[in-house]
Amino acid sequence: QSVLTQPPSVSGAPGQRVTISCTGSSSNIGAGYDVQWYQQLPGTAPRILIYGNNNRPSGVPDRFSGSKSGTSASLAITGLQAEDEADYYCQSYDTSLSVWLFGGGTKLTVL
Amino acid sequence: QLQLQESGPGLVKPSETLSLTCTVSGGSISSSNYFWGWIRQPPGKGLEWIASIYYSGTTYYTPSLKSRVTISVDMSKNQFSLKLSSVTAADTSVYFCARYNNFFDYWGQGTLVTVSS
Repeated sequence: QSVLTQPPSVSGAPGQRVTISCTGSSSNIGAGYDVQWYQQLPGTAPRILIYGNNNRPSGVPDRFSGSKSGTSASLAITGLQAEDEADYYCQSYDTSLSVWLFGGGTKLTVL
Repeated sequence: QLQLQESGPGLVKPSETLSLTCTVSGGSISSSNYFWGWIRQPPGKGLEWIASIYYSGTTYYTPSLKSRVTISVDMSKNQFSLKLSSVTAADTSVYFCARYNNFFDYWGQGTLVTVSS
C-alpha cells in the first residue's frame, strides 16, 4: 500500500478525456510539497510529464495537464491517443518519512 | 544532452552485496543544486526511491533500506554508485539511476538485477 494512492487502472476510448488521481496526506501533498507525474512506456525508464503540480516540460503535449488541491493531485489527459497507453506515476516528498515518494502507479488502457 | 548509464552485475547471490555504478555524460556530476539518486522497480510493480546524494556529498536514504544501503560519488570519474548489502530475492528489481532537480528529470535506461543462487 503506497503512501500516495492511485487507482490501479483507468481506460478510455481514443479522443476521450481521462483523469488519474493521486491521494496523499498532510505530511506530503497536503504539506505543500509539489507533485510530479511520470509516464512509463513498457520496457523503458519513466519520463517526466508534469512537474511542480501543473508545469509541462518542453516536448510534452498540452493534452496533459496537472492539478493539485489539498492532499490530492490529478493528471488529466485529453484527446486520448493509442500512444498514451502506459503506466503513470505521481511523485512527491514526505516530510514525516523523509522520503521521495512515488504512487503505486496507474495503468492507462486506450480502448 | 545529459545521459546516465547504469552498470553492474545482472545476477547477485543471496546474502551478498549488490553494487551498481551510474556513469554521467554530457554534464558534470559536481554541478551545484542537483541530487543524484537510485530508484528501483520490482518486476511488474511500482517505483521505489532508494537513495540520493547531493552534489555536496550529503546522503539521503529510504528508511526501510537505510541499514543496508550506501550511495557514494566519484567526481573524478563523473560517476555515482549504489551498494546494497545482504540481498534477498525481494531485492530483485530493475534499478534506475536518475538526476533530481526539483523532479527526476534525467534517467538511465535501467538495469535488471536478479538475486538468485
